[in-house]
Amino acid sequence: AQSVTQLGSHVSVSEGALVLLRCNYSSSVPPYLFWYVQYPNQGLQLLLKYTTGATLVKGINGFEAEFKKSETSFHLTKPSAHMSDAAEYFCAVILPKAGTALIFGKGTTLSVSS
Amino acid sequence: DTGVSQDPRHKITKRGQNVTFRCDPISEHNRLYWYRQTLGQGPEFLTYFQNEAQLEKSRLLSDRFSAERPKGSFSTLEIQRTEQGDSAMYLCASSSVSLGYTIYFGEGSWLTVV
Repeated sequence: AQSVTQLGSHVSVSEGALVLLRCNYSSSVPPYLFWYVQYPNQGLQLLLKYTTGATLVKGINGFEAEFKKSETSFHLTKPSAHMSDAAEYFCAVILPKAGTALIFGKGTTLSVSS
Repeated sequence: DTGVSQDPRHKITKRGQNVTFRCDPISEHNRLYWYRQTLGQGPEFLTYFQNEAQLEKSRLLSDRFSAERPKGSFSTLEIQRTEQGDSAMYLCASSSVSLGYTIYFGEGSWLTVV
């Protein structure tokens, strides 16, 4: 079975500062990994995903994440935070060869101050 | 591409009543998923369909919950004899195995049981 752990339920940064949201996964087979963002009272929007190939993946809104198999991590970063980045972020994992559904972490709330 | 559509967006019901939510996936997507999300938590997997077949059900899906996808297109999620603990946002999502494992979410249906 797979699982996802997001370290830090709440992260606060200043506008223009680096954003780092942490995600570690547990999986017995090669996973596919995703980051989603959720704004208040809305559904989830895909930021980026890793399936195979290049381990550094770029997404929308200037976000990127790097898959590190040795560390079982898929941390999300953005060089410079913007006020509009304030939202809930979810890391998720799927095991395509096992035919499982997408499993989410508990989420990290990002606050951005001016 | 009109996205995943859910109806109703909000539902307030009295405890003990039955409620039904509808989900229309992105056309040509053969997989459809239902998730439940409570405040401050990540989405929790409930069930998913591939075409009209229900392939997996979570232990969270009690006997009072039933989901159908009769023609492999839209899906319904019914909750019978609602309880206050059922208050949550119910998210529908869809994907196409042939187009990769990216899962697209709808805006969600908020349920409040009073």
